[in-house]
Amino acid sequence: KAGVTQTPRYLIKTRGQQVTLSCSPISGHRSVSWYQQTPGQGLQFLFEYFSETQRNKGNFPGRFSGRQFSNSRSEMNVSTLELGDSALYLCASSGDSANTGELFFGEGSRLTVL
Amino acid sequence: KQEVTQIPAALSVPEGENLVLNCSFTDSAIYNLQWFRQDPGKGLTSLLLIQSSQREQTSGRLNASLDKSSGRSTLYIAASQPGDSATYLCAVKPGNTPLVFGKGTRLSVIA
Repeated sequence: KAGVTQTPRYLIKTRGQQVTLSCSPISGHRSVSWYQQTPGQGLQFLFEYFSETQRNKGNFPGRFSGRQFSNSRSEMNVSTLELGDSALYLCASSGDSANTGELFFGEGSRLTVL
Repeated sequence: KQEVTQIPAALSVPEGENLVLNCSFTDSAIYNLQWFRQDPGKGLTSLLLIQSSQREQTSGRLNASLDKSSGRSTLYIAASQPGDSATYLCAVKPGNTPLVFGKGTRLSVIA
């Protein structure tokens, strides 16, 4: 069974640009969560989707947005990039509709903003 | 607000030693607790999941315990190996809200 797949793995952007990251969950999983990881702040929750509906949202500015498609694949978008957006963006999926099950993470997308 | 603390932030041990990593959380009202491993520049690998009704879980050389009332969990690693070197993260599920992570313990096992 394939794990959580994130693309692209690495990308470099400049300030002011926008970026879209993609996440394909484990087959059969309908819950997808996104996290930002930086050395200073650790892992911070961005948002969570279940069956195309946003179920939870973290404390990030409106420049950060996401969506989930009918096949459970998810994308997140960051507009007007800032230097501080440089981070590892991690996607996780869960097969538990009650949101109490085990979370499985992808390898992440490493974003560098110059 | 739930907070998760992991002490120490870094730990270095000789190969073969048994070791314990600690995790504490401020609110005992949790659904579950999960331990993860992260290698440099990589994603998180789930090690063990303990439901709130459980006291411990075991997988190979790993054993995780949970004491909800005191807000503590430990991850026991037996007979440590250099391949165990990584950052270990603890996360709690506080109800129908996202996982709350600790900052992790960076483990180095010296051959």
